[in-house]
Amino acid sequence: KNEVEQSPQNLTAQEGEFITINCSYSVGISALHWLQQHPGGGIVSLFMLSSGKKKHGRLIATINIQEKHSSLHITASHPRDSAVYICAVRKGYGQNFVFGPGTRLSVLP
Amino acid sequence: GAVVSQHPSWVICKSGTSVKIECRSLDFQATTMFWYRQFPKQSLMLMATSNEGSKATYEQGVEKDKFLINHASLTLSTLTVTSAHPEDSSFYICSGQSGGLETQYFGPGTRLLVL
Repeated sequence: KNEVEQSPQNLTAQEGEFITINCSYSVGISALHWLQQHPGGGIVSLFMLSSGKKKHGRLIATINIQEKHSSLHITASHPRDSAVYICAVRKGYGQNFVFGPGTRLSVLP
Repeated sequence: GAVVSQHPSWVICKSGTSVKIECRSLDFQATTMFWYRQFPKQSLMLMATSNEGSKATYEQGVEKDKFLINHASLTLSTLTVTSAHPEDSSFYICSGQSGGLETQYFGPGTRLLVL
């Protein structure tokens, strides 16, 4: 079993829909990151979380440390949000990322 | 956020040749750089971690003599794929991290095709 799981694997939405992507992990972590990989391959770091909730524009990320679960929400989705969203955790300070398998999101106009 | 560049973005080479990929941190000092490989529709796989001025630490299963990594300065790391084979065709991504900060800044990636 992978240490970091994501659901769904693939998601297709209509423009304007509210989107939720889930990440669950089975190890202790020092931080959890949400990454966005564009169709061309470039990766952008969206959030780093160790507790609570963060918001940036239309994106909201939450984490529940006790339940070992994080969610990424996109409000008022847009076709330009189409990308692969990757959850990655660090098991300890200075340790390498452990990546989830990614969620492929397509937002249709 | 901080910017990391990679060069080249695309490379096609013949089997048996060597290919060098550069990774530069443009506006910060990357004390640690990471090299990843990604096959189509798969997640990132860490190949090696390099700290400036030190030998790289390779992940299990990654041949250090085939994938030569140099991190000679705080802003530049290079990955050389030696004697490339078609199975080395992949998307190679580097990232940089400054000091003890948690965030990694990713380069745009280099797509390698070995014929």
